[in-house]
Amino acid sequence: DAGVIQSPRHEVTEMGQEVTLRCKPISGHNSLFWYRQTMMRGLELLIYFNNNVPIDDSGMPEDRFSAKMPNASFSTLKIQPSEPRDSAVYFCASSLGQKDPLHFGNGTRLTVT
Amino acid sequence: QKEVEQNSGPLSVPEGAIASLNCTYSDRVSQSFFWYRQYSGKSPELIMSIYSNGDKEDGRFTAQLNKASQYVSLLIRDSQPSDSATYLCAPRRSGGSYIPTFGRGTSLIVHP
Repeated sequence: DAGVIQSPRHEVTEMGQEVTLRCKPISGHNSLFWYRQTMMRGLELLIYFNNNVPIDDSGMPEDRFSAKMPNASFSTLKIQPSEPRDSAVYFCASSLGQKDPLHFGNGTRLTVT
Repeated sequence: QKEVEQNSGPLSVPEGAIASLNCTYSDRVSQSFFWYRQYSGKSPELIMSIYSNGDKEDGRFTAQLNKASQYVSLLIRDSQPSDSATYLCAPRRSGGSYIPTFGRGTSLIVHP
């Protein structure tokens, strides 16, 4: 089991640029989550997919953020345009079912200058 | 009231002691309860899950759940310096669109 795979591990970009984060969930897991973690705010849920369908995106900060899950094995989180306040560690997680624990990827550390 | 509350710490205990980490939650319909450990610069990893009232033991770890009091705790016996990390509590309701919410976590420091 390869676990949840995220790429890139680190991303440094300039303000105004587009950023795309990628995630491959564990095979067979039906739910996928995108979280953002900062020292100030802890782990914040951005969006939650179940069976590739977005269930709740109320945590997405604003229209600059978008997420897609075109199939069961791939999801993207896009920020366009990026801003310095978007700097954080972004985690993708998946779970087998709706009462099961989450399994996290290694995260993407995003720095926007 | 926050959905999940944990003392941010740091909680400092000597090596070999029992570390007690506490968590309260507001959602009475929560059915699954998870404890995650997060080392600095790493991702959260699941260390314990508990679904029923009472105690559940796994090695040096014991999770305790009291649904009536909306309280879940994690005890770490014979604490080791390698246990130094942030511990996150995460209750979860099954079904529907319930968003799993994490507490801010308790920082544990085990000193030799």
